Amino acid sequence: NAGVTQTPKFRVLKTGQSMTLLCAQDMNHEYMYWYRQDPGMGLRLIHYSVGEGTTAKGEVPDGYNVSRLKKQNFLLGLESAAPSQTSVYFCASSGYQETQYFGPGTRLLVL
Amino acid sequence: DAKTTQPNSMESNEEEPVHLPCNHSTISGTDYIHWYRQLPSQGPEYVIHGLTSNVNNRMASLAIAEDRKSSTLILHRATLRDAAVYYCILRDHGGSNYKLTFGKGTLLTVNP
Repeated sequence: NAGVTQTPKFRVLKTGQSMTLLCAQDMNHEYMYWYRQDPGMGLRLIHYSVGEGTTAKGEVPDGYNVSRLKKQNFLLGLESAAPSQTSVYFCASSGYQETQYFGPGTRLLVL
Repeated sequence: DAKTTQPNSMESNEEEPVHLPCNHSTISGTDYIHWYRQLPSQGPEYVIHGLTSNVNNRMASLAIAEDRKSSTLILHRATLRDAAVYYCILRDHGGSNYKLTFGKGTLLTVNP
């Protein structure tokens, strides 16, 4: 039982490049979330999903897109990376009104 | 979302109790008080949550004021592995609100 896993662990991008971050969970959770964390700050919600095929905007959605084609996976896409998107990205999953379980994070550096 | 106020940092000695305070004066009746912590270079992890009554689990205890405007997370015997940022979060269990809103939390340093 791996819980929540994230791929990749670390990535360096140039401004304007695109990439996709993958989150996978094996707990059969309905809800999944993408957060970003900047230095010295708490986590901020980017997008979330309440079930397969659904997505919704969080607090800071601009510049990101998401997809939930399979219940166990939640993808976060950056179409044209900007230096302001340099951050640590965390994925989480949960059951209905239950504890959120977080992945280990992806460190992204945009030059 | 109702806001919480926590000290930026606290320090403790190993094997001593730690009391981490949180103020939430605008808490609503359906808000649960959740605590998560984030160890260095890791994702947050759940610690404990409660509504009105004090709660205990294997990790910690949560003491909630009678008027619910403040709460305290209690680590009974701090260890070096408890050094982390602790987040106090209000979460509305009513309706369809399942999001967590993180503040800056309290950085707990544990001295050997």
